[in-house]
Amino acid sequence: KQEVTQIPAALSVPEGENLVLNCSFTDSAIYNLQWFRQDPGKGLTSLLLIQSSQREQTSGRLNASLDKSSGRSTLYIAASQPGDSATYLCAVGHSNYQLIWGAGTKLIIKP
Amino acid sequence: EAGVTQSPTHLIKTRGQQATLRCSPISGHTSVYWYQQALGLGLQFLLWYDEGEERNRGNFPPRFSGRQFPNYSSELNVNALELEDSALYLCASSLAGNNEQFFGPGTRLTVL
Repeated sequence: KQEVTQIPAALSVPEGENLVLNCSFTDSAIYNLQWFRQDPGKGLTSLLLIQSSQREQTSGRLNASLDKSSGRSTLYIAASQPGDSATYLCAVGHSNYQLIWGAGTKLIIKP
Repeated sequence: EAGVTQSPTHLIKTRGQQATLRCSPISGHTSVYWYQQALGLGLQFLLWYDEGEERNRGNFPPRFSGRQFPNYSSELNVNALELEDSALYLCASSLAGNNEQFFGPGTRLTVL
């Protein structure tokens, strides 16, 4: 049974810092991995999707990496801004199209 | 292009009643997924519909059911509501054969 863990559960950093959010999973037989952000009381915004054959994806200040053999993914945020404050969720996708979710990392960027 | 839409935004029901939540996928998407996000429990997979058929179901009781219409929109029905059904219900859609999922804003269900 796939289990997805996100560490840390919460993170508070000053504006401008680079930061890394971690996601680990127990079953390496994944189809893909997605990173999302969720603002309080809102739906989810897809940030990056990494297929199982890929090592990383980049979008603007965001870079996500995937290491299937070690069961890890990281989301790197460069030059953080207060608008980056949100909860970040990773979800592991399987061939049955089911997503297994981590509990999220709540990120606060202090001005 | 319009994203995934959900209605209503908020829904307040009393215990024992039935709730119906609606979702319209992105144009061209044939798969619709439903998730429950209860406070403190994280996101839990509920149902997956594709081409009008239920393809997969999460670990929820049968009083959670739904359907997908010929235009690919979907309904989630929750019967005999219980207090613990209070949650944000999220709908997502994807293209056929591609599980990159795009989410709607959610319906906040409160059971009193």
